[in-house]
Amino acid sequence: DAMVIQNPRYQVTQFGKPVTLSCSQTLNHNVMYWYQQKSSQAPKLLFHYYDKDFNNEADTPDNFQSRRPNTSFCFLDIRSPGLGDAAMYLCATSADRGLDEQYFGPGTRLTVT
Amino acid sequence: DQQVKQNSPSLSVQEGRISILNCDYTNSMFDYFLWYKKYPAEGPTFLISISSIKDKNEDGRFTVFLNKSAKHLSLHIVPSQPGDSAVYFCAAVSTGTASKLTFGTGTRLQVTL
Repeated sequence: DAMVIQNPRYQVTQFGKPVTLSCSQTLNHNVMYWYQQKSSQAPKLLFHYYDKDFNNEADTPDNFQSRRPNTSFCFLDIRSPGLGDAAMYLCATSADRGLDEQYFGPGTRLTVT
Repeated sequence: DQQVKQNSPSLSVQEGRISILNCDYTNSMFDYFLWYKKYPAEGPTFLISISSIKDKNEDGRFTVFLNKSAKHLSLHIVPSQPGDSAVYFCAAVSTGTASKLTFGTGTRLQVTL
């Protein structure tokens, strides 16, 4: 089945220790998104790739970076995690921008100790 | 600044009855609205959508109503089934913003026997 896969599902990192979250997709979609969802809050878009074109949200902290080496994979790098970065991180894809449906992965829950 | 609000964090409905989930928005630029459904340990999945040129869209047991003047939309599930128990997210898009979804905080629906 075509799908969006996120690894790992649970990640524990230490305060200030860089961490990378991974997303892959078998849908061959052009667009990949990263969302952050804190407890009882709405998912919040951090950035998205339209093909190789990176689009950062204005309020995404510089601590968050992303890489998309090819169509299938996208990575979220947190350079120096703080306690406030503990959250669920959701990856999503869509065939195109506009109103195309977004397909979400199961998320990675990040804990910062 | 929460542009999409779901003021009821939870809702409990008996099987067979109608479930009504509400959503309010503040940004008048939003012109497309979606509902996503999320089961535990899974990513959100698209359920139903509505364009601002319509006031109703129906898909089987699910109907979304849009009241543009009140900046309010609602999702009706009739009849409710135990498998509908999940968290429901309302999301809105301004079609000029390249498919950026703005989510609400979600409503947890529990359908009881």
